[in-house]
Amino acid sequence: EPEVTQTPSHQVTQMGQEVILRCVPISNHLYFYWYRQILGQKVEFLVSFYNNEISEKSEIFDDQFSVERPDGSNFTLKIRSTKLEDSAMYFCASSGRTGEWTQYFGPGTRLLVL
Amino acid sequence: QQQVKQSPQSLIVQKGGISIINCAYENTAFDYFPWYQQFPGKGPALLIAIRPDVSEKKEGRFTISFNKSAKQFSLHIMDSQPGDSATYFCAASLGSGTYKYIFGTGTRLKVLA
Repeated sequence: EPEVTQTPSHQVTQMGQEVILRCVPISNHLYFYWYRQILGQKVEFLVSFYNNEISEKSEIFDDQFSVERPDGSNFTLKIRSTKLEDSAMYFCASSGRTGEWTQYFGPGTRLLVL
Repeated sequence: QQQVKQSPQSLIVQKGGISIINCAYENTAFDYFPWYQQFPGKGPALLIAIRPDVSEKKEGRFTISFNKSAKQFSLHIMDSQPGDSATYFCAASLGSGTYKYIFGTGTRLKVLA
C-alpha cells in the first residue's frame, strides 16, 4: 500500500540553525501539506501546496518557513532560523485530487531545537 | 469559527465496552469530517470519515454519528479492545479550496484488559 515517507525521523538542532525536513508524498497525489504537533497538543495546519505553489498558509507559517517541491517526488519544509518554540513533530500529508478529501499522513519528523 | 471542539480529553473503557468521543464545530461550510487514530510516535492514520449528507457511517467496530443541525459528530468504538488504546482526533475540512484539516484537541483512549 502506498504511503507517505518522511526523513529524518528525528532532528536535533541548535537555535538559529536552518533545518530541512523532507517528505515523499504518495506518487500520484496532487495536494501536499505540512502540519505540526507540539508535544501533547493537537495537530495544527501549517501550509498547503498545489500546482507548485502555496495555496494556503497559517499564521504559524511565517517568513522563517518555506516549502518546495524540488523534483517530482520530494516535498520539503525549510525553517531558516529555528527557535525553541519550533520544537514539535512535523507531519507531511498528501491527498489525491480535487474532491478527494482524505489526507494520508507520514510518520513525522520530531524536531528538537536546543 | 474555524475551531473544532473535542471531548473528553481522556477516556478509560473496559475491554468490550463502548468508547464514545464527541466533536462540535461552528462553521457550517465544513464539508468533510474524518477521524484519525494516532499511536505514540506515529503519524495520524485515517480511521473513518463522513460527509454531512449522511447521518451515520459504520466500518467494522467504528461508527460515526453525524448531527448536522446540532453541528456535532461523534465516534463510537464498539467492543473496545486494548489495541484500540491510542489518541483519537476528529477533524473538519471545508471541502474546497485547499482542503486543509482543522483538528480537534484529541482524546486519549485507554482500554483496560
